[in-house]
Amino acid sequence: QVQLQESGPGLVKPSETLSLTCTVSGDSVNSDKSYWHWIRQPPGKGLEWIGYIFYSGNTTYNPSLMSRVTMSLDTSKNQFSLKMTSVTAADTAVYYCTRRLRIAARTFDSWGQGTLVTVSS
Amino acid sequence: DVQMTQSPSTLSAFVGDRVTITCRASQGISTYVAWYQQHPGKAPKLLIYKASNLERGVPSRFSGSGFGTEFTLTISSLQPDDFATYWCQQYVIYPVTFGGGTKVEIK
Repeated sequence: QVQLQESGPGLVKPSETLSLTCTVSGDSVNSDKSYWHWIRQPPGKGLEWIGYIFYSGNTTYNPSLMSRVTMSLDTSKNQFSLKMTSVTAADTAVYYCTRRLRIAARTFDSWGQGTLVTVSS
Repeated sequence: DVQMTQSPSTLSAFVGDRVTITCRASQGISTYVAWYQQHPGKAPKLLIYKASNLERGVPSRFSGSGFGTEFTLTISSLQPDDFATYWCQQYVIYPVTFGGGTKVEIK
């Protein structure tokens, strides 16, 4: 069974960079069978897709965030990461890492528990 | 982007009621719709994928239907654990987008 766990600072100052890591067990980030995604949810609000990374290093980002987002893999630790620059209070949210199998019919079937990141001075 | 319009935003019901939630896409998306359940403080849980396919382990009282732009999630007999927020999602094209959510409350 796949398990994902987010980690990173819970508090980030405005204009600084948010950095989160997702540790995967039960699957490999180096597999061509899965895409690795980040999704966020501001407190009390809806879900926003941020982007994904594939084992090859290929990425696709939400155009609304593309200029500030970078994703990467660490295959030695079976992790993938998110960096978001120039954060503001609007980036305060619970950040989830998720998996999508490389099967057209499938979507986000495994989620981390989520980590709250607050942007505040 | 494909806009997903979900209704109602809030729904009050009794245990045992049959409830239906609707999602409308701003353009045709075939059957590339999923439904999720989210309890407070928890991650979303996949219930239905490809419009009508029940995820493994999800009770059969949940069902989905639809094609193109109109989709529904039905709970045939509401149980206490079903009081939660439900989200639809399209995944035919990136960026993946979600509906605004439906909170199912106890009446």
